[in-house]
Amino acid sequence: DVKVTQSSRYLVKRTGEKVFLECVQDMDHENMFWYRQDPGLGLRLIYFSYDVKMKEKGDIPEGYSVSREKKERFSLILESASTNQTSMYLCASRSLAGEAETQYFGPGTRLLVL
Amino acid sequence: GQNIDQPTEMTATEGAIVQINCTYQTSGFNGLFWYQQHAGEAPTFLSYNVLDGLEEKGRFSSFLSRSKGYSYLLLKELQMKDSASYLCASMDSNYQLIWGAGTKLIIKP
Repeated sequence: DVKVTQSSRYLVKRTGEKVFLECVQDMDHENMFWYRQDPGLGLRLIYFSYDVKMKEKGDIPEGYSVSREKKERFSLILESASTNQTSMYLCASRSLAGEAETQYFGPGTRLLVL
Repeated sequence: GQNIDQPTEMTATEGAIVQINCTYQTSGFNGLFWYQQHAGEAPTFLSYNVLDGLEEKGRFSSFLSRSKGYSYLLLKELQMKDSASYLCASMDSNYQLIWGAGTKLIIKP
């Protein structure tokens, strides 16, 4: 079974703090993704990575950065958290670039920025 | 442009059948996914269609019409545990997913 884990299920931070969200997958998948999910909106892609050291901006990258130093780990960084970044953050991984393979999701991190 | 639409909420009765529709406009369409998401949990994969027609998987079936930009998810013999949101997502020419906002399905006894 594919397993995608995220470092925290719930997180409360203050405005201006630097926030790290970690995601680890154990299936040697090349592709990894960070989404945010807000009520009434579809999943929105923040950043994705086709492979180690690679990163690409998604639809809403502003205010975020990412790091992929190892294949299994993809980190999302909020450089200076703001209240409009309060959201559910979902990490996903997928096996082959360019293939219509299923994305497997982690349990999500519900972030509250005060 | 890229667009995907599905109803916000549906209600059905335990034991009945429900059909959740999804329409899409996607450049370089590469298939249509359905995911199930229980409240507070991660989305889990249900089905993938790239060719026209119906794919059956137990109580769940998914249909695709590429010419109409239309898909539906059919759930039979509804159970209370089927209460969840159902997410429709189309895959574009870059193999990225464009997500609908999800349909919240409420099952009543």
